[in-house]
Amino acid sequence: EVQLVESGGGLVQPGGSLRLSCAASGFTFSSYWMSWVRQAPGKGLEWVANIKQDGSEKYYVDSVKGRFTISRDNAKNSLYLQMNSLRAEDTAVYYCARLLGGHWYFDLWGRGTLVTVSS
Amino acid sequence: QSVLTQPPSVSGAPGQRVTISCTGSSSNIGAGYDVHWYQQLPGTAPKLLIYGNSNRPSGVPDRFSGSKSGTSASLAITGLQAEDEADYYCQSYDSSLSGPWVFGGGTKLTVL
Repeated sequence: EVQLVESGGGLVQPGGSLRLSCAASGFTFSSYWMSWVRQAPGKGLEWVANIKQDGSEKYYVDSVKGRFTISRDNAKNSLYLQMNSLRAEDTAVYYCARLLGGHWYFDLWGRGTLVTVSS
Repeated sequence: QSVLTQPPSVSGAPGQRVTISCTGSSSNIGAGYDVHWYQQLPGTAPKLLIYGNSNRPSGVPDRFSGSKSGTSASLAITGLQAEDEADYYCQSYDSSLSGPWVFGGGTKLTVL
């Protein structure tokens, strides 16, 4: 089955760190751009970061630049998001998504993992 | 404030036709970038509904259709069904921003 499964969410204090993981299965992970998209409680979708198939290109939304790092391990079919210096406004469900390069749409989504930043 | 503007809500009775607009600008939709649509049922992850302005992925009913003109795009749903009640998001690419993969603010569809 083609799927993405996120893990690693939880409650963290402001200024803390968290690492999200996304396990891919059912498709050739190394052939696709991958992304993180988040959704704050009761709010809309916000793109967070992208990474190219070989990790050579990475893009971030301004609000997370310098704090978040996207990475991947193609041998483990896994995507990661290292989140440092977390703020209350980073509280959201974080979705792992497959991005069709060149066409730039997200054709496969995980179920998401909730990150809550609060003291 | 989202780069792509959608109405917060639309509604319709079963069997009716509704449309959801997505208004952009010359740096995204008007620049020729494709518009894509996602459906998010309550409590679930988003799902790709329309890609490349008007294409349906396998499994999406032909009751759903998309179009694009100028700096705007639209999603139309015909033969409205109760299970269509969901949030709908448009998405495109914006060349003027350093965070170029942009979404609309979302539209809540209520089936009366």
